Amino acid sequence: DAMVIQNPRYQVTQFGKPVTLSCSQTLNHNVMYWYQQKSSQAPKLLFHYYDKDFNNEADTPDNFQSRRPNTSFCFLDIRSPGLGDAAMYLCATSTGQEIQPQHFGDGTRLSIL
Amino acid sequence: GQNIDQPTEMTATEGAIVQINCTYQTSGFNGLFWYQQHAGEAPTFLSYNVLDGLEEKGRFSSFLSRSKGYSYLLLKELQMKDSASYLCAVRDSNYQLIWGAGTKLIIKP
Repeated sequence: DAMVIQNPRYQVTQFGKPVTLSCSQTLNHNVMYWYQQKSSQAPKLLFHYYDKDFNNEADTPDNFQSRRPNTSFCFLDIRSPGLGDAAMYLCATSTGQEIQPQHFGDGTRLSIL
Repeated sequence: GQNIDQPTEMTATEGAIVQINCTYQTSGFNGLFWYQQHAGEAPTFLSYNVLDGLEEKGRFSSFLSRSKGYSYLLLKELQMKDSASYLCAVRDSNYQLIWGAGTKLIIKP
């Protein structure tokens, strides 16, 4: 009964070959987030959507783009993956209300060949 | 800058009690969260503190002191399945979550 679903769990791509990661939610939450997490490090927020409003973190590389075609779906596009982009990518949702936590998907582990 | 500090790794014995500390320096404060993350999996929500004091939830408790910029997560009656990383995250004045790098907890029989 997963509520935040990420596909695929594992993704392998070639250096420089565009890749898209997907996230869907059944919670009807207003906010969707994309994080990058490398081993033994804190999750790093890349961007988030509040409804259709897109918010990009200042230090997110231009190589990373996102789309949210509707409430349920959000995509992370990496235009030209480099070796440094190998990481776990986490999608999370929240209602946007103050006391509510973020709910995470199982993540997509991206490997770059 | 904004900063969350947690010990990198802790070891404890099955059945015992362990306290994981978190100190923070952020631009404003709108609550502190603790998450559990098993290796290779996503973080799962454990607790939320916004007022000073102790919040108890079964075997897990979380404490907050806003004046000291300090929180701890207390785990009682440790079980092997509690082996995981525990992440402290603070919501700042912009309602963004600032994450710590996590504390890896190793439970020994």
